[in-house]
Amino acid sequence: DVKVTQSSRYLVKRTGEKVFLECVQDMDHENMFWYRQDPGLGLRLIYFSYDVKMKEKGDIPEGYSVSREKKERFSLILESASTNQTSMYLCASSRVTSGVYNEQFFGPGTRLTVL
Amino acid sequence: GEDVEQSLFLSVREGDSSVINCTYTDSSSTYLYWYKQEPGAGLQLLTYIFSNMDMKQDQRLTVLLNKKDKHLSLRIADTQTGDSAIYFCAESRFSGGYNKLIFGAGTRLAVHP
Repeated sequence: DVKVTQSSRYLVKRTGEKVFLECVQDMDHENMFWYRQDPGLGLRLIYFSYDVKMKEKGDIPEGYSVSREKKERFSLILESASTNQTSMYLCASSRVTSGVYNEQFFGPGTRLTVL
Repeated sequence: GEDVEQSLFLSVREGDSSVINCTYTDSSSTYLYWYKQEPGAGLQLLTYIFSNMDMKQDQRLTVLLNKKDKHLSLRIADTQTGDSAIYFCAESRFSGGYNKLIFGAGTRLAVHP
């Protein structure tokens, strides 16, 4: 079974702190994604990566950065956390396919609260 | 999720059928997906349908696709309390040289006795 793990289930940080969210997948997937999930808004893509050291902005990248130094690990960084970044953060991974079939496998999520 | 729309809540009685609806806007979407999120967990793929199909059945699940109206539905027969979850509709879209999933806001299904 594909396993995507996230470093924390719950995190509480203060405004202005630098926050690292870690995601690791064990199925040698090329693609990795970070989403945030908010009630009534569904999942919104923050950043994604299709290869080591490669990153692409998603729909809401402002206030975030990412790092992918190894294929299995994709980190989301909040340089200076703000209260409007309080949310559930979901990491996902998928395999590159020749067609557009695009099943993504999700981690359990990190619920981040910024005070 | 502005391009994929779902109603936010659905309440059904245990044993009844549940129908969750979704509309999407990209007529070139080739795959459409239903993901399930149980409380405190990430999303898990429930089923998917290829755009050249009208219907797909998998045990208690039936997916109907109306390409003309860009309407997708998920029917759960004999709904059980274990089906209580948030259900996300998603379309696969090729954009900017990459495949992305565009999610709806999710429908929270509540099953009561």
